[in-house]
Amino acid sequence: GAVVSQHPSWVICKSGTSVKIECRSLDFQATTMFWYRQFPKQSLMLMATSNEGSKATYEQGVEKDKFLINHASLTLSTLTVTSAHPEDSSFYICSARDFGGRGYTFGSGTRLTVV
Amino acid sequence: GEDVEQSLFLSVREGDSSVINCTYTDSSSTYLYWYKQEPGAGLQLLTYIFSNMDMKQDQRLTVLLNKKDKHLSLRIADTQTGDSAIYFCAESISGGGADGLTFGKGTHLIIQP
Repeated sequence: GAVVSQHPSWVICKSGTSVKIECRSLDFQATTMFWYRQFPKQSLMLMATSNEGSKATYEQGVEKDKFLINHASLTLSTLTVTSAHPEDSSFYICSARDFGGRGYTFGSGTRLTVV
Repeated sequence: GEDVEQSLFLSVREGDSSVINCTYTDSSSTYLYWYKQEPGAGLQLLTYIFSNMDMKQDQRLTVLLNKKDKHLSLRIADTQTGDSAIYFCAESISGGGADGLTFGKGTHLIIQP
């Protein structure tokens, strides 16, 4: 079945540094990928929709310059958290829908801790 | 490995009960979740159940867990048009929180008038 690989699964970084999270569709092509963020004990919040070959669509309240999304190919989308601060510490998860419309496939998530 | 399976579509009549099923493979799952996604929105946590429970009820929602068969279901009583959405089943093997969630592909609930 369709597999989405998300890497890294966890990362600890210092304040002020940038962190890149990768989301890959392993056996299908994804023109659209989704990035979510989850705060402890809350629902997954859609941050942005990543469109292959074009700019990402950000949800209201999400800073474009802070959360850079690049979807350069049909199998890879990246989320870069720039100048990370402790309040950016969260669980980030990506999702993709394959061409065959076989539902949504989620990555396993990335736990980001900024110290 | 971990795998969560659910049907892609379910069609019910308004007023009937909807039952969305999910099977999982990881016997070490500690928490099982149901999320709802409406068009253009993020995932909304509907309910969750600890693996040591058999049932959990919350207003119109009833979650049943058969740990032996690794089967989870979500029953929505008196289904309304506002229930039309995609429902995701997810499991976590870590205690508490949402680390390392494994999701199903989602069941699209279609409401017929």
